[in-house]
Amino acid sequence: EDKVVQSPLSLVVHEGDTVTLNCSYEVTNFRSLLWYKQEKKAPTFLFMLTSSGIEKKSGRLSSILDKKELSSILNITATQTGDSAIYLCAVEAKGGTSYGKLTFGQGTILTVHP
Amino acid sequence: NAGVTQTPKFRILKIGQSMTLQCTQDMNHNYMYWYRQDPGMGLKLIYYSVGAGITDKGEVPNGYNVSRSTTEDFPLRLELAAPSQTSVYFCASSSAGQTYEQYFGPGTRLTVT
Repeated sequence: EDKVVQSPLSLVVHEGDTVTLNCSYEVTNFRSLLWYKQEKKAPTFLFMLTSSGIEKKSGRLSSILDKKELSSILNITATQTGDSAIYLCAVEAKGGTSYGKLTFGQGTILTVHP
Repeated sequence: NAGVTQTPKFRILKIGQSMTLQCTQDMNHNYMYWYRQDPGMGLKLIYYSVGAGITDKGEVPNGYNVSRSTTEDFPLRLELAAPSQTSVYFCASSSAGQTYEQYFGPGTRLTVT
């Protein structure tokens, strides 16, 4: 059974701080690792990392995949109150009917105070 | 484009009642999914569909049923509601070539008492 574990479960910082969120996984036939951001309602897609694309960056957010350690980190620099959200990590397996079947971690609740 | 829409937004059911959660997408996506999210937990896949007429079980299918008669619609049926089904339900869709980028609806908050 595929498994994703995120840490910490919650984090409180002040604006301007840098945060690092962690995700470790166990999956048979790894295809990709994904990061989603969930504000008040629905999750929205942030990044996809694969064995051939292990680092992604978008503005103040960046993510790295460590294939050897089976883990990923999501960094947010110069945090803003608008970064307050639940950050979800998920993995996708490959092969047969596995495409699209994501296994999510429990999420990290990030709170950024002004 | 409305994206993925879900109805209702909220619902309270009594134990043993049944209901259908509606989901519609207008992006012509082949893949559609139903997830549930319990407090403090991530999303768990209930059922998914790779196209009209094709559905398959996810991680937590017990107590639920789905059908997919059109590309746009993917309703989720709860039979004999139980308190353990109290949760927030999300529908999502993706294209076949980018299954990792799923577009989520706004969710349905269901309480079973």
